[in-house]
Amino acid sequence: AQSVSQHNHHVILSEAASLELGCNYSYGGTVNLFWYVQYPGQHLQLLLKYFSGDPLVKGIKGFEAEFIKSKFSFNLRKPSVQWSDTAEYFCAVNNREAAGNKLTFGGGTRVLVKP
Amino acid sequence: NAGVTQTPKFQVLKTGQSMTLQCAQDMNHEYMSWYRQDPGMGLRLIHYSVGAGITDQGEVPNGYNVSRSTTEDFPLRLLSAAPSQTSVYFCASSYGVEAFFGQGTRLTVV
Repeated sequence: AQSVSQHNHHVILSEAASLELGCNYSYGGTVNLFWYVQYPGQHLQLLLKYFSGDPLVKGIKGFEAEFIKSKFSFNLRKPSVQWSDTAEYFCAVNNREAAGNKLTFGGGTRVLVKP
Repeated sequence: NAGVTQTPKFQVLKTGQSMTLQCAQDMNHEYMSWYRQDPGMGLRLIHYSVGAGITDQGEVPNGYNVSRSTTEDFPLRLLSAAPSQTSVYFCASSYGVEAFFGQGTRLTVV
């Protein structure tokens, strides 16, 4: 069974600081990778996704993520955060060979950006 | 397009009561799923459906039933609510590999 781990449960930083959230997955096959964001009181929204090709993917709101296959990692980055980036971030993996679209999520990282 | 619509947004149940969480999508997606979100555990898959008339269990199916009589609707039934089912429930639909989530239902079982 595949699993996803996110290294930090909580991150606190100041505006303009750089953000990097770690995500590692365990699955030997071909995967699709996602980062979702959940703003306070809202549903999950897709930040970015990786299916194939360039391992550095750019998403919305200045976020990017890098897929490193040898490390089974898909870390999320943003060079300069804003107060509005306060949210919970979830890494998710989908097994490309399996039927359907079952996503396996990491435990989430709560990010608090201080103004 | 409304996307994925969940009702109700909030619900309080007494232990042993049953209820149905509603989920509807207007995007004609074949794949729909239910997740529960608990602190520190991310989202865990309860049940999913790959099309009308077809459902299957996810990671945490016990205590929940689903049916898929139409492409649009995918209700989740709690048969006999327990405090351990206190959670936030999200319905999702997808075409291909990208999932679209509803606004969630916050359920408290007392």
